Order: sequence, then C-alpha cells, then structure tokens
Amino acid sequence: QKEVEQDPGPLSVPEGAIVSLNCTYSNSAFQYFMWYRQYSRKGPELLMYTYSSGNKEDGRFTAQVDKSSKYISLFIRDSQPSDSATYLCAMTLIQGAQKLVFGQGTRLTINP
Amino acid sequence: NAGVTQTPKFRVLKTGQSMTLLCAQDMNHEYMYWYRQDPGMGLRLIHYSVGEGTTAKGEVPDGYNVSRLKKQNFLLGLESAAPSQTSVYFCASNRDYEQYFGPGTRLTVT
Repeated sequence: QKEVEQDPGPLSVPEGAIVSLNCTYSNSAFQYFMWYRQYSRKGPELLMYTYSSGNKEDGRFTAQVDKSSKYISLFIRDSQPSDSATYLCAMTLIQGAQKLVFGQGTRLTINP
Repeated sequence: NAGVTQTPKFRVLKTGQSMTLLCAQDMNHEYMYWYRQDPGMGLRLIHYSVGEGTTAKGEVPDGYNVSRLKKQNFLLGLESAAPSQTSVYFCASNRDYEQYFGPGTRLTVT
C-alpha cells in the first residue's frame, strides 16, 4: 500500500463548477500538507500548504486537512479552463530533510 | 532571479552510456532534491542534499549518483544508463517547507 493515495482521474468538469480533489495517507506523523499544480510538460508549482489540521484559503482555492481521518482536500471554486492541469498532493514530517511524499496526481480538465 | 534551472532539457542515451544532469538554484537554499516522474507513479525521490558536501539516498537511488560540491548546484549522474531510467527528472530546492521545482529533463534510454 502506498503511503499517499490519490485518485489519478482523469476528472472532467464544466467551467464554473466546484472541483474537489482528495488524498488519503497512512503515516500519522505527517504534519505539512501541500498541493502542487503541474501543467503539461512543466515542473510542479506550489499552490498552497497547510500545517497540521484545518483550512486554508487563497483566492478560489481552499485546502483542508483532517488529520483524524488522514484525509486532505483541495477545493477549486468557479473553475476556469486555465485550471486544467495535474494536481499533486504531497506531505512531509516536521523534522528532518523536509522530504516530500507525493500522491500519483489527479489530471483535471475544465471544459469551456 | 532564475529560480531552479536544469540542463539539459532533453536527452536520448543508448543503454550503457553515462551522463550528468545539472541543477542550479539562485535562492541560496540549503536543501536540494532529485526526483523522477513516471506515468501513474507521481514523483519519487532519488537522492537529496541538506547542504554543501552532503548527499543522502531517497526512495529510488539505485543506478544514480549525486554530488553537491557547491551550494547552488546539485548534479545527478547515471553511470550506465538502462531503459528503466527513461523518465522525466525534476530537481527542486527547498526553504521552510516550500519546495521549488525546475522545468525538468526528459531522458530516453534506448
């Protein structure tokens, strides 16, 4: 079983829809949780990160962490065609070399 | 401020050939990492470094070597390339849990 599980999709939604992306994990020691966006043939770019449990909002993006369920989510409101990309969740321990453990990534397409 | 750069962008090798991938960052970050990305596998850590002169193995280190002689550079070497090393390679540097990635190197081993 992988340490971080993410549904690879693909996920296709109409423009303007609310998108929900999710990951589950098995290591309860993870404390930092990240979401990366990766456009085709580009490097991943950090969207946002959260420490421990709770919510974090940045514009149309909201990240949620539920440590009791070992479940993290990324919500995209008013989705735009420019949001079409692969979204990767990642997480790491609070100590050490800050090595990230990634999910497989979810490929998202927003249809105009 | 270029961030993280990688050289080369593309490369085709024959089985058994060697090559070095170069990663450079201008953000004065201590931590640097090499990942490979394969379809359906996400990003997997090959090697990493927590400072100049230090290196350590990640999840999939076999067949690769690294060196960090200067703080701003992190080199990934393939001594004898194999078809299983066909992948996209990403370098990253990190500060305060924010990891920044380079544009990637697409490597094909035939």
